[in-house]
Amino acid sequence: GAVVSQHPSWVICKSGTSVKIECRSLDFQATTMFWYRQFPKQSLMLMATSNEGSKATYEQGVEKDKFLINHASLTLSTLTVTSAHPEDSSFYICSASPRDKTQYFGPGTRLLVL
Amino acid sequence: KQEVTQIPAALSVPEGENLVLNCSFTDSAIYNLQWFRQDPGKGLTSLLLIQSSQREQTSGRLNASLDKSSGRSTLYIAASQPGDSATYLCAAGNTPLVFGKGTRLSVIA
Repeated sequence: GAVVSQHPSWVICKSGTSVKIECRSLDFQATTMFWYRQFPKQSLMLMATSNEGSKATYEQGVEKDKFLINHASLTLSTLTVTSAHPEDSSFYICSASPRDKTQYFGPGTRLLVL
Repeated sequence: KQEVTQIPAALSVPEGENLVLNCSFTDSAIYNLQWFRQDPGKGLTSLLLIQSSQREQTSGRLNASLDKSSGRSTLYIAASQPGDSATYLCAAGNTPLVFGKGTRLSVIA
């Protein structure tokens, strides 16, 4: 149980385009979802927290107009990287949390912006 | 603000050795602490989760302890194998989890 999926697993795009990443909790309802980013040889850094039906809370230094997060249902959250640039190339990992607050992590999405 | 520190940053040991990875956190009011494994270019594999009310968890050759009062956790790996080579991440918090920078482990055959 407690499986979280992400789609796509990897994506290559041109600079200036937008990319959408989906995070789904497959067998539980996630009241809260989190988006992390990991640069090469670095640890995971929290980008934002989203609760179903409300606006996401972004961490300091994360541009909310560039990283659009939608948590429209209890099983789906999306992260859209708008007008992507090479410096946005990273490993994006989501996690989902049911009411017991335990976080379950997705397998990650590797983004390469050319 | 929670900060998580892992020592050492890298570790190389011969196969068969027992080893300890250390994790410290600044805010003891945590909900739980988790240890993860990450292979190069891959996602996270959850190894052990210790709830705040617990002091240790065991899974196979892995044992993790938690001392909230001192803000420390250790991951003990017994009889290390080359397949244990990976980066080990410690994460603590009250949701969301805050991650340390990890310990890169190499087990030499």
